[in-house]
Amino acid sequence: SQKIEQNSEALNIQEGKTATLTCNYTNYSPAYLQWYRQDPGRGPVFLLLIRENEKEKRKERLKVTFDTTLKQSLFHITASQPADSATYLCALVVNDYKLSFGAGTTVTVRA
Amino acid sequence: GAGVSQTPSNKVTEKGKYVELRCDPISGHTALYWYRQSLGQGPEFLIYFQGTGAADDSGLPNDRFFAVRPEGSVSTLKIQRTERGDSAVYLCASSYRGGGSGANVLTFGAGSRLTVL
Repeated sequence: SQKIEQNSEALNIQEGKTATLTCNYTNYSPAYLQWYRQDPGRGPVFLLLIRENEKEKRKERLKVTFDTTLKQSLFHITASQPADSATYLCALVVNDYKLSFGAGTTVTVRA
Repeated sequence: GAGVSQTPSNKVTEKGKYVELRCDPISGHTALYWYRQSLGQGPEFLIYFQGTGAADDSGLPNDRFFAVRPEGSVSTLKIQRTERGDSAVYLCASSYRGGGSGANVLTFGAGSRLTVL
């Protein structure tokens, strides 16, 4: 069956450190993968998209990698700040329009 | 509007009642989606509209759930004979074109939290 797994444990890190989140998937062949941020009581907000033929994508302090052989994406937040505290969701694009989401990883950045 | 607007933000109802949840997408977005999110889970696809028509309703859990988008803008998700298991946050999202044109980035509303007692 199809499955998307993100870090099962919440991530607690010290301000200034790098947070690394994993997204592993099985029985999918996504053309691209997206990362969203979700704050409590809010809807997900798009952060980054990476295509299957791209190894790495960066946006400010965020970096995403995509390894279609390992069926894994890594999401890095460098020089983390307390304002980065949120739940981060990975999403695979299925059938061109349908997103399949992982359960998310909650990140808490301590000042 | 500036963003995707959903009403009500909170709805508490009794088992067996009928519920309507409304979504007002970003102006000019032809694609509209409904997702459902249970506590501790990621959003789960329910239905996708391209214009006025439901292009994919494969995620609707059963025939108690129905959604419409009569004029290609505002959409209403309708749930009949609500059950306790329907309690969740119902998220609406829109995008400029939907599938077939490469990357499809969704803009989500804040959601409607439904609690069935």
